[in-house]
Parts: sequence; C-alpha cells; structure tokens
Amino acid sequence: GENVEQHPSTLSVQEGDSAVIKCTYSDSASNYFPWYKQELGKRPQLIIDIRSNVGEKKDQRIAVTLNKTAKHFSLHITETQPEDSAVYFCAASRSGGTSYGKLTFGQGTILTVHP
Amino acid sequence: DGGITQSPKYLFRKEGQNVTLSCEQNLNHDAMYWYRQDPGQGLRLIYYSQIVNDFQKGDIAEGYSVSREKKESFPLTVTSAQKNPTAFYLCASSIGRFSGNTIYFGEGSWLTVV
Repeated sequence: GENVEQHPSTLSVQEGDSAVIKCTYSDSASNYFPWYKQELGKRPQLIIDIRSNVGEKKDQRIAVTLNKTAKHFSLHITETQPEDSAVYFCAASRSGGTSYGKLTFGQGTILTVHP
Repeated sequence: DGGITQSPKYLFRKEGQNVTLSCEQNLNHDAMYWYRQDPGQGLRLIYYSQIVNDFQKGDIAEGYSVSREKKESFPLTVTSAQKNPTAFYLCASSIGRFSGNTIYFGEGSWLTVV
C-alpha cells in the first residue's frame, strides 16, 4: 500500500519568513495530493491540493509543488503569520480498484510562527 | 464542513465495553471514512465506505466495526477487542469515490478509556 513520509516533524520560523514542508510517497499510481491544516483540538481543513497533471499550484501565500519522477511534493508558505501556527498534514491517494479516494496521511508537521 | 456531525464529542469507555460513535452527513456524499488520530501522529484510516451497504477495512480495522445502512450515516463501534482505544476519532466524507474528490472532516470525537 501507499506510504507517505513527511518532514520536518517540527518547524519554527519568524513572522514574515517562509516555511517549507516536504513529503514523499511510495505508490507511483497516486495522483491526488492534498494538504490539511489542523489547529489544536479541531478538525483538519483542506488548504490546497494538487493533481498529478500539474507541477505547481498557488493560492495567495500558499503553494504546492509536485515532482512525480522523484515522488515528492512540498508545501510552501510565504510571509508567515502567527495564525499560520498549526499542524500541517500531507496526504496522497490513487485511483483504481478499491482504493478510490482513500487518503494516506503523512505524520504531520508542527509549524510555529514567532511574532 | 458543517454538514458532518459527530457525536458524542467526548466519550468515556470502561474496560470490556463496546461504544458507538455516530457520524451523520447531509452533504449527499457517497463516500464516508473513519480516521483515528493519536497525539503527535498522523491520521490512520480505520474503515471506509464508497457506497451504501458496502465498506472496506482500512489500515487499522482490528477491534472496530462499522455499518452503512443509509447514505447519510456511518457509525463506528469500538469493541472490547480494541486494546488501546483512547484517541481522537474523525469521521469524513467525500462527494464520490474517485481520487481527487475533496475529503471533508467532522469535528471529531474524543474517546478515553477509564
């Protein structure tokens, strides 16, 4: 089955700096890669996603890049703000068989943005 | 997100007891999922259902059971066979069973063994 590795496990930055979180996946058939943000005690919420037919996607201060050959994808947050502090999860899923829509998550990255 | 309701939010289980977590969605989504989250860890899939009256085991199904008798409901039973059930349980749904459909989460249920 799919295995997703996420790094780093913790990330501390100063307000205004950029933050980068990286994930690798094992299943070359995976074709959908979402990123979720989870605040303490709350549900994960989708912040951005990318499909395998594109290499990069941006949404204001957030961007995701995908390298299918190397099987890794990254989340980039620019001009970080204290409210960006949360746990971020990457995930991957594939089409086909009984695995339709089933997400495999990375272990999470605790991002702390210091004012 | 507001269309997925989990209850109860907090639940205490005694040793040897079965408990059931409720999950209801009014989003008309075909697919529903149960994830478990332990402190400092990612989300692990317990069970998922792509259509009514059908469900599949996830990565950590042992000690859990589910049913999908109605499209809008996907209850999870934590049985006494689950030896370490203390965790945060998240129900989720997506519009269809295909990869690339956004998965939305409920607010979660905290289960503690006493």
